[in-house]
Amino acid sequence: GESVGLHLPTLSVQEGDNSIINCAYSNSASDYFIWYKQESGKGPQFIIDIRSNMDKRQGQRVTVLLNKTVKHLSLQIAATQPGDSAVYFCAEKTSYDKVIFGPGTSLSVIP
Amino acid sequence: AAGVIQSPRHLIKEKRETATLKCYPIPRHDTVYWYQQGPGQDPQFLISFYEKMQSDKGSIPDRFSAQQFSDYHSELNMSSLELGDSALYFCASSATGTGYYGYTFGSGTRLTVV
Repeated sequence: GESVGLHLPTLSVQEGDNSIINCAYSNSASDYFIWYKQESGKGPQFIIDIRSNMDKRQGQRVTVLLNKTVKHLSLQIAATQPGDSAVYFCAEKTSYDKVIFGPGTSLSVIP
Repeated sequence: AAGVIQSPRHLIKEKRETATLKCYPIPRHDTVYWYQQGPGQDPQFLISFYEKMQSDKGSIPDRFSAQQFSDYHSELNMSSLELGDSALYFCASSATGTGYYGYTFGSGTRLTVV
């Protein structure tokens, strides 16, 4: 089956600290892996992606790491800010550009 | 910039009623995707359309149907509603050749079945 998450783990971090959000994926054939941010009452918002032949990609304050050996994806947020509080989803891009979401993690930033 | 517009934002229906959700993609986007997100769950892919034809199908119940019209807007029709259909329904749109980079989500329709 496709990746499905029923749990919503929570990560609490102090403002200014770095955050690391982890995700395990199931489909080794995915071309891209993506991180989305979802704020309350809003749709998922694209943060950063990584192609399957890469192991690291950096954006503005965010870094995505891909470990294909253990099928693990992580999102690192530097100097976490209150505005980063949201639910973060990892996702895989499949055929027809369909995006399959993995389990979300709720990030709570403590001022 | 124009975004993906979904209507209505909120909808309350009784069991066994029908509901129609609408999605207006970003101008010049030709592909629409529908997702269902239950409380505390990840969005589940339902169905997608490219150039008014169904391009992919996910975990969409037989009670649901959808289509994309000539102006590229899409409608998700839900019949014989059940309590378990209560969820956030998102659509996303993209333009051919941009892959998912142009994959923009709307703010969703919150459907509550009572």
